[in-house]
Amino acid sequence: EAGVVQSPRYKIIEKKQPVAFWCNPISGHNTLYWYLQNLGQGPELLIRYENEEAVDDSQLPKDRFSAERLKGVDSTLKIQPAELGDSAVYLCASSSLGGSTGELFFGEGSRLTVL
Amino acid sequence: QKEVEQNSGPLSVPEGAIASLNCTYSDRGSQSFFWYRQYSGKSPELIMFIYSNGDKEDGRFTAQLNKASQYVSLLIRDSQPSDSATYLCAVKASGTYKYIFGTGTRLKVLA
Repeated sequence: EAGVVQSPRYKIIEKKQPVAFWCNPISGHNTLYWYLQNLGQGPELLIRYENEEAVDDSQLPKDRFSAERLKGVDSTLKIQPAELGDSAVYLCASSSLGGSTGELFFGEGSRLTVL
Repeated sequence: QKEVEQNSGPLSVPEGAIASLNCTYSDRGSQSFFWYRQYSGKSPELIMFIYSNGDKEDGRFTAQLNKASQYVSLLIRDSQPSDSATYLCAVKASGTYKYIFGTGTRLKVLA
C-alpha cells in the first residue's frame, strides 16, 4: 500500500513568488492534515480536513495561505505571496477516522526555501 | 504555557543504557498519546501510542502515562546508536481529531 505522497520534495523561490504543494493521502483515509515544521520545532497544524470539509483552519494565515481538498482525496496548499519566514518543511499527514490507533501517517514533506 | 511540553535536549546516553524521555500536557481531557520518532531530514513515524494510565511495552520501548499528573514518558531500553533521533510527543485533543505536538527531544546514543 502506498504511503502519503507529497510533491515537490524541495522548492526554492524568491520572496513574493507563489508556491504550491500537493498531497495524496493513503487510500481510504478521510482525514488529511497540513502541518508546518520549522527547524528544531514540532509540527504545527495549519489545516485539517475531514473528507472535503476544512474542519479546523484556525492556524492557517488566510491572508497568504490557501488550501483545498477537492473530491475529498488529494489536497493542495498554496502560499501567495511567499515571505522569508515561510521557509520551513510542510508536512502532509492522513488518518482514518475509524482507525483503531488514531495514528497519523506522514508524507516525506516539502521543504520550502524562500530567498 | 505550551499545550505539550518537552525538553528539547539533546539527551545523551551511552549505548546500552536506558533513555528516558518526558512530556507534559495541559489539556486534562486528552485521551490519546503518541510518541513519534523523526530522523534528521525525514518525516515523523509512530513508535508507540497509549490511552490508559500505566505502562505499555513494545520491545525495547515502554510508554508510561499518568493522567493525574498530566505526563507521558517514553523509556528506551538497551539504547542503540540507531535510536539517535528526535522524539516527538503528540496529544490528541479531547473530542476532536486534532493532534498537538511538542517541540521534540533530541536523543543522542553514544557508541
